Amino acid sequence: QSALTQPASVSGSPGQSITISCTGTSSDVGTYNLVSWYQQHPGKAPKLMIYEVSKRPSGVSNRFSGSKSGNTASLTISGLQAEDEADYYCCSHAGSSNYVVFGGGTKLTVL
Amino acid sequence: QVQLQESGPGLVKPSETLSLTCTVSGGSISGYYWSWIRQPPGKGLEWIAYIHSSGSTNYNPSLKSRVTISVDTSKNQFSLKLSSVTAADTAVYYCAKICCGGATHDYWGQGTLVTVSS
Repeated sequence: QSALTQPASVSGSPGQSITISCTGTSSDVGTYNLVSWYQQHPGKAPKLMIYEVSKRPSGVSNRFSGSKSGNTASLTISGLQAEDEADYYCCSHAGSSNYVVFGGGTKLTVL
Repeated sequence: QVQLQESGPGLVKPSETLSLTCTVSGGSISGYYWSWIRQPPGKGLEWIAYIHSSGSTNYNPSLKSRVTISVDTSKNQFSLKLSSVTAADTAVYYCAKICCGGATHDYWGQGTLVTVSS
């Protein structure tokens, strides 16, 4: 069971769009539509932003969207705002043993 | 609104057992899965284990030999024990509720820092 692969950092200017990738394998991301994304501000607990690849929980801005192609899931944030600066983690159901695996995290900087 | 609160010692000696409890309020623990997740200082999230209110469990294979997770539905609590700790187990430990499908964690505790040091 290996961690999902995310870029260490991404950046964008206010108003722009960015995409964070999350690459797994056919044992996790590629097989199951059970990818979730979390936002974490410094010193705070993670917050669910996207679940089941592309669903948004109530209260999460529609500037956040998710998708998947093959073994790679993606989180897109449109209309970047300063408050979006945070760490982002993907997570997936993994394997027939029903494990849970997280990505290494991506630090988003809003320039 | 479901709320989770971790509790337990903030300092554990090497080779001893780390014990944490998560108290769930604002909803029943019954019928759901509940996770423990940790985050070493400056690093990413690592799933430790989850348990269903019925007692069914699943563990991260890299930690399985040292981890025990249990549930007490009468107290609306679930607990984590991690044995033979080392400095590498120093982390913020989070409890979280699993919803929807698979790996979706919709509610999280605030986290508690556990330091392993003599």
